[in-house]
Amino acid sequence: SAVISQKPSRDICQRGTSLTIQCQVDSQVTMMFWYRQQPGQSLTLIATANQGSEATYESGFVIDKFPISRPNLTFSTLTVSNMSPEDSSIYLCSVGVRGKYNEQFFGPGTRLTVL
Amino acid sequence: LAKTTQPISMDSYEGQEVNITCSHNNIATNDYITWYQQFPSQGPRFIIQGYKTKVTNEVASLFIPADRKSSTLSLPRVSLSDTAVYYCLVGGFLFSGGYNKLIFGAGTRLAVHP
Repeated sequence: SAVISQKPSRDICQRGTSLTIQCQVDSQVTMMFWYRQQPGQSLTLIATANQGSEATYESGFVIDKFPISRPNLTFSTLTVSNMSPEDSSIYLCSVGVRGKYNEQFFGPGTRLTVL
Repeated sequence: LAKTTQPISMDSYEGQEVNITCSHNNIATNDYITWYQQFPSQGPRFIIQGYKTKVTNEVASLFIPADRKSSTLSLPRVSLSDTAVYYCLVGGFLFSGGYNKLIFGAGTRLAVHP
């Protein structure tokens, strides 16, 4: 299993500014993922961030808007740049763990409100 | 990537068995079928996973027919605390050691009433 923490848990930001969200895992994992969940909606995958390689972004998401760092096997950051109210959402990180159940473990999420 | 289709919402009462069916017609040979549960203000949580036939754990059962084009999550004797969104996903870790990313569908919003 894996225990994931995210910082901050929530924030209120002004449009045009940037916010960096941190994701910390209690064990070393290769595969990390960043998702966005808008109010009342399902999760949308933003990017896959594997240690040792550039993040792979899904259609509709670009590195300039959502730069990701993955400096080691237990940590990653997602920056939401030049924010607008449309970026108001919950941002979640998750890790893939290969084991008996080959599951993903999710962090608690960061609730972002952009004014 | 295999797309999944689930009912948008379901209602049940305490003590009843709930069955949520998911269709995944384009499932690949190496795909697992996994169900996640999400409570408000929390990240999704793993419930159960299977490849074929039936899987049972302390929380739920998962029924997968031979063609694997659908699966049914069965929650026995639900309680109010089972009110949540349930997601069916296909993909994840491959037998070959690779990984097919998980794409979330709309999920099923289950409401359990007293």
